Amino acid sequence: EIVLSQSPGTLSLSPGERVTLSCRASQSVSSNYLAWYQQKPGQAPRLLIYGASSRAPGIPDRFSGSGSGTDFTLTISRLEPEDFAVYYCQQSGTSPPWTFGQGTKVELK
Amino acid sequence: EVQLVESGGGLVQPGGSLRLSCAASGFIFSNYVMNWVRQAPGKGLEWISYISSGTSTIYYADSVKGRFTISRDNAKNSLYLEMNSLRDEDTAVYFCARRGEFLLRHQYYFGMDVWGQGTTVTVSS
Repeated sequence: EIVLSQSPGTLSLSPGERVTLSCRASQSVSSNYLAWYQQKPGQAPRLLIYGASSRAPGIPDRFSGSGSGTDFTLTISRLEPEDFAVYYCQQSGTSPPWTFGQGTKVELK
Repeated sequence: EVQLVESGGGLVQPGGSLRLSCAASGFIFSNYVMNWVRQAPGKGLEWISYISSGTSTIYYADSVKGRFTISRDNAKNSLYLEMNSLRDEDTAVYFCARRGEFLLRHQYYFGMDVWGQGTTVTVSS
């Protein structure tokens, strides 16, 4: 099983700041199969990034993804008030289980 | 509008059973792989089951294998999760999610691009 470790656990930030979230895999993940999701309280997750670096339809360009192998990053170039949420990375490689990271909470400072 | 709507959650005693449903609309359901993902109270997301578009391939997480059964009825645009021998640790919000397929640079990329609102399962005596 591929374990995804996200860091930090919580980030306390202000609107307008730049955010960098990390996702580290216990073994190499094909970039085809690395995705990022945003979840707000009481809501379903929303797909932000697929293929490690491609934005899903309708996602603002302040969100970007990068990385390969075992190290992946989600960057929010300039935090908007609606971006305060929990962010999860997920791998869906060639065989299950398809694991999620434990999440990073981005909270208002 | 592309939509998934779950139903069937509720309160059940340990050892009991429950059947969740997920109704799809606004897209060609039979073309898509579907998944169930759950979230225990205050916890992160856990993938629990996958079913291919034609039902030929099914996978389960170890935590539910042998107790849960995923199925689908493409004629009814519906996905199901039969849950037996329920345990306290199965208490969670259960989401159905479509696996989106994105063709980019001659390769396919994947992500769960459509989610239902979730249905709550509480296992307690």
